[in-house]
Amino acid sequence: GAVVSQHPSRVICKSGTSVKIECRSLDFQATTMFWYRQFPKKSLMLMATSNEGSKATYEQGVEKDKFLINHASLTLSTLTVTSAHPEDSSFYICSARGRAGPIDEQYFGPGTRLTVT
Amino acid sequence: QQQVKQSPQSLIVQKGGISIINCAYENTAFDYFPWYQQFPGKGPALLIAIRPDVSEKKEGRFTISFNKSAKQFSLHIMDSQPGDSATYFCAASGTSGTYKYIFGTGTRLKVLA
Repeated sequence: GAVVSQHPSRVICKSGTSVKIECRSLDFQATTMFWYRQFPKKSLMLMATSNEGSKATYEQGVEKDKFLINHASLTLSTLTVTSAHPEDSSFYICSARGRAGPIDEQYFGPGTRLTVT
Repeated sequence: QQQVKQSPQSLIVQKGGISIINCAYENTAFDYFPWYQQFPGKGPALLIAIRPDVSEKKEGRFTISFNKSAKQFSLHIMDSQPGDSATYFCAASGTSGTYKYIFGTGTRLKVLA
């Protein structure tokens, strides 16, 4: 149980285009989802926290108009990178917290590798 | 005060040896401390977690030792195996508000066959 999926696993897009990444909790309801960004050989950097049906809370320094987050249901959150630039290339990971286990446990997705050319 | 300091940055251990990774925090409001294992190109996977009401928790070859007064906690991997070679992250969170994690900087473990 407590499986989180991400789609796509890898995506290549051209500069200036937008790309959407989906995060789904497959077997539990996710009351909160988190989006992280990870650079090579670095730790996970929290970008934003989203609760179902409400606006996401962005961490300091993260552009909310560039990284659009939608948490439309208890099993789906999406991250849209708008007007992508090569510096947006990174490994994006989502996690979900919900009723699958301990209240403070997060279950992580497998990540999405974004390359902007 | 929101930082979690993790050491060492990298670690090389012989097969069968004990791997020890340490973390320290400052925020006394933290009360949940998970450890995650991450392989290259994959998402982090929960290994083991502890709360401050116990000083040690063991699951298989993995043990967390927790020192509340020193605000430190560590991961011990007993009988380390080459398959344990990965990056390990400690994290800390409070059980109120957003429950967001503060991650350590990571430790790259290599277990030699």
